[in-house]
Amino acid sequence: DTAVSQTPKYLVTQMGNDKSIKCEQNLGHDTMYWYKQDSKKFLKIMFSYNNKELIINETVPNRFSPKSPDKAHLNLHINSLELGDSAVYFCASSQDPWRLGTGELFFGEGSRLTVL
Amino acid sequence: DAKTTQPTSMDCAEGRAANLPCNHSTISGNEYVYWYRQIHSQGPQYIIHGLKNNETNEMASLIITEDRKSSTLILPHATLRDTAVYYCIVRVAKQAGTALIFGKGTTLSVSS
Repeated sequence: DTAVSQTPKYLVTQMGNDKSIKCEQNLGHDTMYWYKQDSKKFLKIMFSYNNKELIINETVPNRFSPKSPDKAHLNLHINSLELGDSAVYFCASSQDPWRLGTGELFFGEGSRLTVL
Repeated sequence: DAKTTQPTSMDCAEGRAANLPCNHSTISGNEYVYWYRQIHSQGPQYIIHGLKNNETNEMASLIITEDRKSSTLILPHATLRDTAVYYCIVRVAKQAGTALIFGKGTTLSVSS
């Protein structure tokens, strides 16, 4: 069983389109994250949700909107796609460190978005 | 979170120990040292973490200096599959929703 799964793995689209990337974790974790890895390979945190509540919202254009329908899902919707949005987007999850665990993050395999 | 400094790249012969250093001179008393790696373009993978004692698991050993200002990740018998970017990160573990802040990491190349 895949612990953190993302769909789609590859996404090619035109500028100006709207697209979504879905993430699901079956680890029973309380916190989920979205990271962006650009062409220079820097991994940057975008958002984190704890028990469906937004905890971290880094300086990300408001064209990016995360949605967490329940603890096991964190989807990323992107409006009006731009060339600079081309990147690999990683979803991750962790157990709430206040209660249990080490704060270790489990990452998905990534979703490669190409905007033409 | 405290910043870390790592060499940009390192080479290691297959079967030898790979020792990856990390400086974190501004680390706070409640910050842990985490190591992750990213193989090719896969998702980052947790390796090990520690607070002040040395730690060992099935993947690696973590040696933290007494003053906690630096640490070394040791892969005892490196294989070709250990070729990856290794990230040293410090953060407060006991804080809900705290994200890992990744730096540039060290690209480890293991060759036969």
